Amino acid sequence: DADVTQTPRNRITKTGKRIMLECSQTKGHDRMYWYRQDPGLGLRLIYYSFDVKDINKGEISDGYSVSRQAQAKFSLSLESAIPNQTALYFCATSDSSGSETQYFGPGTRLLVL
Amino acid sequence: QKEVEQNSGPLSVPEGAIASLNCTYSDRGSQSFFWYRQYSGKSPELIMSIYSNGDKEDGRFTAQLNKASQYVSLLIRDSQPSDSATYLCAVIDKAAGNKLTFGGGTRVLVKP
Repeated sequence: DADVTQTPRNRITKTGKRIMLECSQTKGHDRMYWYRQDPGLGLRLIYYSFDVKDINKGEISDGYSVSRQAQAKFSLSLESAIPNQTALYFCATSDSSGSETQYFGPGTRLLVL
Repeated sequence: QKEVEQNSGPLSVPEGAIASLNCTYSDRGSQSFFWYRQYSGKSPELIMSIYSNGDKEDGRFTAQLNKASQYVSLLIRDSQPSDSATYLCAVIDKAAGNKLTFGGGTRVLVKP
């Protein structure tokens, strides 16, 4: 079984809809992250959480919100989706007591029409 | 302003040759450096991390770090078609909250 899972893997939605992307991990890591990837722009950090009840904005948090429901779960919401939020979204985890390496989930491909 | 810069490529190398990838970063406080490989449509996977000036070798991969010049490079020896992917450089600045900042990636094509 994968250590970091994301659901759904693919999603098509319409402008103005609210959607939630979910991330779960079995690695026991305390830190979790949400990134989006657009062609040629690498990965950009949306939000990150260093522990339950700790939420921090990344470089592109506008239009997004997150919830850290438990140490193993970190969800990303788009309150009112817009077409320029069409992208590939990745969740990642890391261990504060470890090597700082981030481990990525398989990604969610989102299309906003 | 982009803090981590990479040539987007594609970098085309013949099979068996050395692929050389470069990455520059703007924040002198950066302390930890990573190279991730990403196949098309897949998630990034770590191939190398480096923390001190100099070279670090792992199999066919060598990472080189020069903090004074603010660059980190990756060499892939004996390149194979399976090395064809996008390589992402990433840096961490602990003083800035331990966030990982990625470059845009260099696409590598290894031709048989």
